[in-house]
Amino acid sequence: GQQVQQSPASLVLQEGENAELQCNFSSTATQLQWFYQSPGGSLVSLLSNPSGTKHTGRLTSTTVTKERRSSLHISSSQTTDSGTYLCAIGPSGGNYKPTFGKGTSLVVHP
Amino acid sequence: EAAVTQSPRNKVTVTGGNVTLSCRQTNSHNYMYWYRQDTGHGLRLIHYSYGAGNLQIGDVPDGYKATRTTQEDFFLLLELASPSQTSLYFCASSGTTSAETLYFGSGTRLTVL
Repeated sequence: GQQVQQSPASLVLQEGENAELQCNFSSTATQLQWFYQSPGGSLVSLLSNPSGTKHTGRLTSTTVTKERRSSLHISSSQTTDSGTYLCAIGPSGGNYKPTFGKGTSLVVHP
Repeated sequence: EAAVTQSPRNKVTVTGGNVTLSCRQTNSHNYMYWYRQDTGHGLRLIHYSYGAGNLQIGDVPDGYKATRTTQEDFFLLLELASPSQTSLYFCASSGTTSAETLYFGSGTRLTVL
């Protein structure tokens, strides 16, 4: 089946620093999404970016489909950005069966 | 914003017990999913469905049954719970195409003693 690898596994920043999170996947995907999981456990979608570059607020995602990788850049990190960032991909064609990476744990210190 | 509601939020049962986790979504999404989340494993897909009466097997289905009774409701059943099923369970839904966003419920923390 599909595999999703995220790196780094954990990241510690000082407030104001930038973060770069990576997602590599094993096969072509028609869908790629980034999620944020709060320390309390709730999961929310940050953005959907199957190819190219997308911006939302302080987040920028770049996906290079043929190289099977995506990145999430967080600029000017804040303490409220602390949590886990998950990458999920969907297969090409057929039923949509999202596969998740294990996530990157981000801690931002004041 | 799509709404996905899970119940209960927390559940404690004993080995061999019977547990039903409930999920309801109110945006008429076709796809619904059950995931479990464990430290070191991330989110793993148990079962999913693309409509009422439909059921698809996920990646870690052993020990679980699921049933999609309506477009809105998706249930996860543990008929003989085991300690290995202690986990955080998430339900999610999405629309018709693979380009649509996943929306998650708040999760159910299940402990099997």
